[in-house]
Amino acid sequence: SQKIEQNSEALNIQEGKTATLTCNYTNYSPAYLQWYRQDPGRGPVFLLLIRENEKEKRKERLKVTFDTTLKQSLFHITASQPADSATYLCALRSNNLFFGTGTRLTVIP
Amino acid sequence: NAGVTQTPKFQVLKTGQSMTLQCAQDMNHEYMSWYRQDPGMGLRLIHYSVGAGITDQGEVPNGYNVSRSTTEDFPLRLLSAAPSQTSVYFCAISESRPMNTEAFFGQGTRLTVV
Repeated sequence: SQKIEQNSEALNIQEGKTATLTCNYTNYSPAYLQWYRQDPGRGPVFLLLIRENEKEKRKERLKVTFDTTLKQSLFHITASQPADSATYLCALRSNNLFFGTGTRLTVIP
Repeated sequence: NAGVTQTPKFQVLKTGQSMTLQCAQDMNHEYMSWYRQDPGMGLRLIHYSVGAGITDQGEVPNGYNVSRSTTEDFPLRLLSAAPSQTSVYFCAISESRPMNTEAFFGQGTRLTVV
């Protein structure tokens, strides 16, 4: 069966450190992978998209990698801040958009 | 420019009642979809539409109906609510059948069925 697993339900890190979130998938062959941020009581908000032929994508303090051999994406937030505390969702695009269960990140001051 | 507007924000239903969750967009995007979000389950696709007059089933369509008579609106109907439909519902849109475009989400409708 198809699965998208974000293998940390919750992650706590100290302010200023780099947060690394993992997304693994099985039985998908996505052309694109996306990351979203979701705050409590709000809808997800798009952060980054990476294509299957791209190894890495950066946007300000965010970095995403996409390894189609390992079927894995890593999402990094450098110099983390308390305002980065949220749930982060990975999503695969094939014909539709399928989501992982999310990782709740807490950045501790 | 509101983007994606969902109404209502909160709703309590009794088992067996019917209701319609509204989703309206002002971005002129072709693709519209409905998800439900449950703890530990993530977002699951219920129904989607690639344009006016065209709808299709997602991962968990049972108990829900949709229609798309205009580009702007994509209502989700619960015909006979069940406690298992207690969830947070999100409407999402994108420019086209989602390939390399981002999705925009509404604020969600929190539904409780008692």
